[in-house]
Amino acid sequence: NAGVMQNPRHLVRRRGQEARLRCSPMKGHSHVYWYRQLPEEGLKFMVYLQKENIIDESGMPKERFSAEFPKEGPSILRIQQVVRGDSAAYFCASSRDRGGNSPLHFGNGTRLTVT
Amino acid sequence: QKEVEQNSGPLSVPEGAIASLNCTYSDRGSQSFFWYRQYSGKSPELIMFIYSNGDKEDGRFTAQLNKASQYVSLLIRDSQPSDSATYLCAVLFNDYKLSFGAGTTVTVRA
Repeated sequence: NAGVMQNPRHLVRRRGQEARLRCSPMKGHSHVYWYRQLPEEGLKFMVYLQKENIIDESGMPKERFSAEFPKEGPSILRIQQVVRGDSAAYFCASSRDRGGNSPLHFGNGTRLTVT
Repeated sequence: QKEVEQNSGPLSVPEGAIASLNCTYSDRGSQSFFWYRQYSGKSPELIMFIYSNGDKEDGRFTAQLNKASQYVSLLIRDSQPSDSATYLCAVLFNDYKLSFGAGTTVTVRA
């Protein structure tokens, strides 16, 4: 009964490179959320996706960041031309449905370091 | 961004004592509230959720909600060293968007 799976756990990129973060939701969950946690800060909402659809990307920077959740395969958060300020922990969460009766379950996160 | 404020930490309590964590939120229309625990370098782990005014107990944890005053709290009874972690208050907006407080770090002294 696997939980939310994220990989890689740690990712090091040089400035200007691309970072691709992967998330497989819990079995039976079709709603995926990405959050970013900067050092000493709380979790900030980035994007909410439901199979093949982006529902809300209001928390995601408009440039360099994109997210997808294809019909087959994991959700991908892609950061192009990374900068030092992108260094953070990126957490994926999933839920069975929308709403308070379907709490979010988080993966172990990907810690991105930009050098 | 809807605001969620938590009482500033860190909070240090002796083993066996009660740890009390508070959280206020800005959106009066919010209906669902969550407490997550996050150990250093780990993922947030859901420990409690509450939807109705009043108290909800689960083992050593009690969540309290007062929608009129827009606050939610978490009590940890008989605190153990293993409870040492950062506790995140989260409020659900728009039926899907969790807004988190900055967290309160709790240290339980043996």
